[in-house]
Amino acid sequence: AQSVTQPDARVTVSEGASLQLRCKYSYSGTPYLFWYVQYPRQGLQLLLKYYSGDPVVQGVNGFEAEFSKSNSSFHLRKASVHWSDSAVYFCVLSAGSNYQLIWGSGTKLIIKP
Amino acid sequence: NAGVIQTPRHKVTGKGQEATLWCEPISGHSAVFWYRQTIVQGLEFLTYFRNQAPIDDSGMPKERFSAQMPNQSHSTLKIQSTQPQDSAVYLCASSLEGLGENTLYFGAGTRLSVL
Repeated sequence: AQSVTQPDARVTVSEGASLQLRCKYSYSGTPYLFWYVQYPRQGLQLLLKYYSGDPVVQGVNGFEAEFSKSNSSFHLRKASVHWSDSAVYFCVLSAGSNYQLIWGSGTKLIIKP
Repeated sequence: NAGVIQTPRHKVTGKGQEATLWCEPISGHSAVFWYRQTIVQGLEFLTYFRNQAPIDDSGMPKERFSAQMPNQSHSTLKIQSTQPQDSAVYLCASSLEGLGENTLYFGAGTRLSVL
């Protein structure tokens, strides 16, 4: 069965520190993977996506993610977080021709001053 | 490009009343999705249209909920006889050609409050 797991419901990081948000997926085929972000009282916005090629993909606002087929993971990283990064982050799997997206439960990122 | 437009941003209804939510997808996008978001359930898929045709409504509650896409420029989600448990943020998204590697673009959502 296809699934996406974000094991951390909340992550607290100090401003300026590095960040990693974890995402594990389960899918036997070639996955299309996305990270979306939802800022307070706003809709969801795409941060980055992966579907082939270089396993490290760059996104907006300094975010990047690394796809690992062997670990079935697609972790999100940022070298130095800013207070404006406070939001909920969703890891999403699109299983090719399957027209439904599989959403992780989200990780709420809290930035400490 | 104004993005996906959802109206109204906030809607308050009394229990038993009807609520209609509107979505204008990005011009040229052939796929439209509706999701519901609550604190408890998180993000729930409701329904999906491609080229205005309903493809999958497996997430729609069987009673009281209906969605239509009468033309390529708008879709509606209608909830009849609203109940307090329908209170949620309803998100609409559009995509160029369905899923796969295509990106979903979301509207800001409609917050429905049923009193």
